[in-house]
Amino acid sequence: GAVVSQHPSWVICKSGTSVKIECRSLDFQATTMFWYRQFPKQSLMLMATSNEGSKATYEQGVEKDKFLINHASLTLSTLTVTSAHPEDSSFYICSARPVAGGRSEQYFGPGTRLTVT
Amino acid sequence: GQQVMQIPQYQHVQEGEDFTTYCNSSTTLSNIQWYKQRPGGHPVFLIQLVKSGEVKKQKRLTFQFGEAKKNSSLHITATQTTDVGTYFCAGQAAGNKLTFGGGTRVLVKP
Repeated sequence: GAVVSQHPSWVICKSGTSVKIECRSLDFQATTMFWYRQFPKQSLMLMATSNEGSKATYEQGVEKDKFLINHASLTLSTLTVTSAHPEDSSFYICSARPVAGGRSEQYFGPGTRLTVT
Repeated sequence: GQQVMQIPQYQHVQEGEDFTTYCNSSTTLSNIQWYKQRPGGHPVFLIQLVKSGEVKKQKRLTFQFGEAKKNSSLHITATQTTDVGTYFCAGQAAGNKLTFGGGTRVLVKP
């Protein structure tokens, strides 16, 4: 149980284009999903908290107009990187927290490796 | 804001030996969680500690939460090659989000 999928697993795009990444909780519902960014050999940096049916909460320094987050249902959140630039190349990982039982652990998706050329 | 520090950053261990990684938070936590990330993989939830002084074991892994709920440790006995990866602690204070430590990258020498 507690499986989270991400699509695509990797993507290469040209500078200036937009890329959408999907995060789905497959066997549980998640009111809250989180989007992280991870550079090689570094820790996970929280970008934003995605709440179903409401606006995402962005961490300081993360541009909300550049990283658009939509959490339309209890099993799906999307992150759109708009007007991507090479410095946006990174490993983007989502996680989801189960609704049931007041649990606080997070289950991570397999990540999306974005390369902007 | 809340900061979580982990030491050591790297841990080279001889197969069969024990080691400990430590996690310290700048603020008191409601709970602390541990995750393992294999090379090329994503973080996998290991355990959550909630109570002051709590100790939990998972086979060769022993997790401890400090009395002040600001620090934690992970001790691995008889290290195996399957233990290779990066171990992250993540602290949760008030609110939803977790703050991750920098991780301890474990390399095992056979």
